[in-house]
Amino acid sequence: NAGVTQTPKFQVLKTGQSMTLQCAQDMNHEYMSWYRQDPGMGLRLIHYSVGAGITDQGEVPNGYNVSRSTTEDFPLRLLSAAPSQTSVYFCASSYSKVSESEQYFGPGTRLTVT
Amino acid sequence: GENVEQHPSTLSVQEGDSAVIKCTYSDSASNYFPWYKQELGKRPQLIIDIRSNVGEKKDQRIAVTLNKTAKHFSLHITETQPEDSAVYFCAASRRTGRRALTFGSGTRLQVQP
Repeated sequence: NAGVTQTPKFQVLKTGQSMTLQCAQDMNHEYMSWYRQDPGMGLRLIHYSVGAGITDQGEVPNGYNVSRSTTEDFPLRLLSAAPSQTSVYFCASSYSKVSESEQYFGPGTRLTVT
Repeated sequence: GENVEQHPSTLSVQEGDSAVIKCTYSDSASNYFPWYKQELGKRPQLIIDIRSNVGEKKDQRIAVTLNKTAKHFSLHITETQPEDSAVYFCAASRRTGRRALTFGSGTRLQVQP
């Protein structure tokens, strides 16, 4: 199993550009989440999904969209990139409820917005 | 929503000493408390977790304690080694509602050889 994969590993965008960060898992996990990690602030939840077709907002959803058309994939879209979105983005998945099973993280995408 | 506070932000110990990292949480409905270790440039990895029906859990040199009344939990690392140097994050989650983790801000642990 590849586990949780993310592409790209690195990305530089100009302000106003849009892009999609890809996340896929091959463990048949129901739950998937997106976090951003900024220095000194830990990981903050952007959006999450409890199954195909179901998504919900996390702590910091503004400027991001998600969809979950399949169990395997959970892409994160930046609609109009801003310098404040410079961060490291982690996707995570778990078999069932986070409170009942381990979350597995992808390797991360380092995004810089200039 | 849930708020998790973590202290200290940095911790330096001598090899062989113990290290303790403390977290407090605000949501009394939280019932799952994992700890993650993140090495530089790597993804967070689960090292130990505890659920609200347990007061303490141990795995070799690592232990976690939970005080639900006071709403705080702690990570204890004994006989520290240089490879324990990393950033450690606590987190909390509840069984219902938002089914994702709320993280603390992290503790950078440096073990001096």
